[in-house]
Amino acid sequence: GAVVSQHPSWVICKSGTSVKIECRSLDFQATTMFWYRQFPKQSLMLMATSNEGSKATYEQGVEKDKFLINHASLTLSTLTVTSAHPEDSSFYICSTSKPWEETQYFGPGTRLLVL
Amino acid sequence: DQQVKQNSPSLSVQEGRISILNCDYTNSMFDYFLWYKKYPAEGPTFLISISSIKDKNEDGRFTVFLNKSAKHLSLHIVPSQPGDSAVYFCAASVSPGANSKLTFGKGITLSVRP
Repeated sequence: GAVVSQHPSWVICKSGTSVKIECRSLDFQATTMFWYRQFPKQSLMLMATSNEGSKATYEQGVEKDKFLINHASLTLSTLTVTSAHPEDSSFYICSTSKPWEETQYFGPGTRLLVL
Repeated sequence: DQQVKQNSPSLSVQEGRISILNCDYTNSMFDYFLWYKKYPAEGPTFLISISSIKDKNEDGRFTVFLNKSAKHLSLHIVPSQPGDSAVYFCAASVSPGANSKLTFGKGITLSVRP
């Protein structure tokens, strides 16, 4: 069964609006979650590491003020794309691991289209 | 700078034959390697992994081989089935564990012909 869920699965919004994407771990606590972005025919690029109860760690080149990450509980991390523009259109995926395992499990992803 | 490279963007194989997907890496600090399978509009699904202390790991039809000196790994699928048609990503991290950051290749699109 699914280990990680994401919501929404797809979203279309107007340029300038903000979009929130949720990532939930199912049936286990996740102190760390990862957010990735994938452009067509490209690899998954790590954007940031979300840590429960503390600030997220962003990868080089990722604007922390544009991609707001909140990990307020042990089962939920949110990514907010603020003032979205067409170039932010992408596939956003989160991942996490069960505490006793080494494997990262990925959510189903969120397709964002900014018009 | 692409630290994990999957140089062949696609591979087509006849059903029942072996599929060999290759992956190269440049970062000698990578210690743990994984293969993920991805269908369109879905998140990647974990397939198999290998630690740098091993040179082979097998799970059913899937076998991963690691050549550390060549910084090369490969995924063998035998026999290939039409349901294996998907994009396969090679990923690497500097250590195993729940909080390790993964670096992905660009993926290989595998098509298995009936």
